[in-house]
Amino acid sequence: RKEVEQDPGPFNVPEGATVAFNCTYSNSASQSFFWYRQDCRKEPKLLMSVYSSGNEDGRFTAQLNRASQYISLLIRDSKLSDSATYLCVVRAGGGNKLTFGTGTQLKVEL
Amino acid sequence: NAGVTQTPKFQVLKTGQSMTLQCAQDMNHEYMSWYRQDPGMGLRLIHYSVGAGITDQGEVPNGYNVSRSTTEDFPLRLLSAAPSQTSVYFCASRPSTGPATYEQYFGPGTRLTVT
Repeated sequence: RKEVEQDPGPFNVPEGATVAFNCTYSNSASQSFFWYRQDCRKEPKLLMSVYSSGNEDGRFTAQLNRASQYISLLIRDSKLSDSATYLCVVRAGGGNKLTFGTGTQLKVEL
Repeated sequence: NAGVTQTPKFQVLKTGQSMTLQCAQDMNHEYMSWYRQDPGMGLRLIHYSVGAGITDQGEVPNGYNVSRSTTEDFPLRLLSAAPSQTSVYFCASRPSTGPATYEQYFGPGTRLTVT
């Protein structure tokens, strides 16, 4: 089983839609969780950290479910500019290593 | 504040050639790392450094060397290029302490093709 798994998509949604992605992780000792955004042929950029209590940043909401070992990203009122690949990143407890998922591709259409 | 810079942006090598990918950051970050990104594989860690003079191997270190003589620079050397090293290479840095620890900043990447 991969350490971090994501549905590759693509998720094709109309502008204004709400879309959610999940990411599962295998190491129950994982301690830090992040969502990164990567545009086509560009570098990954941090979108948001994921806190235990869940957190929101504008149209984006991230949640952590430790019991089921997954994190989620919810995007409300999708914009064309949200089209990108979203990478889930997990840090196992006690170490420096960050493990990246392969990403979920989102395409927002008119 | 340029963040993380990488050169070159594109490179084509012949099998057996060697070259150095340059990486520099101006954020005074202690932690720097090199990743490669291949389709369907995600980002994989090649080498990393927790500070000047200290380097260690990641999950795919074979065929690559690194050194860290200053906080700012972290070059990646390909010793004898192979077609399997065709990939996009990203350098990243992050602070090692404070609330933003583990929040990585990536350079724009180097697209390498080995023929």
